[in-house]
Amino acid sequence: ETGVTQTPRHLVMGMTNKKSLKCEQHLGHNAMYWYKQSAKKPLELMFVYSLEERVENNSVPSRFSPECPNSSHLFLHLHTLQPEDSALYLCASSQVGTGAYGYTFGSGTRLTVV
Amino acid sequence: QKEVEQNSGPLSVPEGAIASLNCTYSDRGSQSFFWYRQYSGKSPELIMSIYSNGDKEDGRFTAQLNKASQYVSLLIRDSQPSDSATYLCSGFGNEKLTFGTGTRLTIIP
Repeated sequence: ETGVTQTPRHLVMGMTNKKSLKCEQHLGHNAMYWYKQSAKKPLELMFVYSLEERVENNSVPSRFSPECPNSSHLFLHLHTLQPEDSALYLCASSQVGTGAYGYTFGSGTRLTVV
Repeated sequence: QKEVEQNSGPLSVPEGAIASLNCTYSDRGSQSFFWYRQYSGKSPELIMSIYSNGDKEDGRFTAQLNKASQYVSLLIRDSQPSDSATYLCSGFGNEKLTFGTGTRLTIIP
């Protein structure tokens, strides 16, 4: 496989459920990102991992918990979500120091919280 | 003030005409700018990048950057129905990529 892959593509979960989103990149990059895309809003940066260390958390609620076990894998653990958390969650990657050349995005997970 | 601003549209352009998409940004420290195309239900795809003032052409696409005016634009020549999508403007600064809300473009056959 090439590029950035995300699973699952679609996820429906109840507010009391626990689920995880997975992202894997095959580009040899060493920085990974989680973005949230809601209707009528800009892409919102949630978490940044650079060289496997979290370097940014833009005041994201604790019901979202990221995990980056190595430079190729990124997870977003979800628990007790709210309906307003329904959105498209996008993973992206880049090479540290070359972010100025743009990020590569995965296909996203469409999350619906019921 | 939004960091990156775009007109959300929709912008409708006849097939074969020039589509003009505009974007302004507030962070003067932004170093590079990108246009992503996003089809409905799909992820953003990088189509153009621009780093210095002036124009950059790639096929039917031309990106324009004016750092003094903090303005970025994308021109699509000979618009095709397959160009119908949402176009996201983004700027890179302070080690992060910031996006606008996107402009929805519809090419009318």
